[in-house]
Amino acid sequence: AQSVAQPEDQVNVAEGNPLTVKCTYSVSGNPYLFWYVQYPNRGLQFLLKYITGDNLVKGSYGFEAEFNKSQTSFHLKKPSALVSDSALYFCAVRDMRGSTLTFGKGTMLLVSP
Amino acid sequence: DTEVTQTPKHLVMGMTNKKSLKCEQHMGHRAMYWYKQKAKKPPELMFVYSYEKLSINESVPSRFSPECPNSSLLNLHLHALQPEDSALYLCASSQEASRSYEQYFGPGTRLTVT
Repeated sequence: AQSVAQPEDQVNVAEGNPLTVKCTYSVSGNPYLFWYVQYPNRGLQFLLKYITGDNLVKGSYGFEAEFNKSQTSFHLKKPSALVSDSALYFCAVRDMRGSTLTFGKGTMLLVSP
Repeated sequence: DTEVTQTPKHLVMGMTNKKSLKCEQHMGHRAMYWYKQKAKKPPELMFVYSYEKLSINESVPSRFSPECPNSSLLNLHLHALQPEDSALYLCASSQEASRSYEQYFGPGTRLTVT
């Protein structure tokens, strides 16, 4: 069975500093990995995905993620955090059947002014 | 336009009521999903429709009944719910129900069962 781990419940960063939100995964076969963001009282918004190819994936709002097969990780990064980036971030992997997203528990990102 | 709409935004219902949640997308997606989400927790998959046919039911109680009238619409019929069913119900769609396609989520319906 596939699984996703987000080891940090919360990440605090000052505005303008780089941010990293960690994600590791376990899946049979090749992983399809996703990052989503959820603002308060809203649905999830797709940020980026890794399917194949370049290990550095660029997504929406200046976010990027680096796929590392040997470490089974897919960490989300941004060079310069904004206060408006404060939200709940979910990493997810799709399973072999192809229809089911398995989510991590989520990481709350708080960016202070 | 990557938009999934859901109505109503909020719903309060008693345990004996019957209500329905509605979801609509006009992106030509052929897979649609219902999720249940508790506060600050990840979404939990309930149902998957692929090409208007139910393909996955994650052992959801029968008081939740999904319906896909056409490729753009998805309904969730609710009957005899319990207070623990109070949650944010999210609809999502993707181009197809296969591994490479991202899902697009609606804003959700906040359901309170009294």
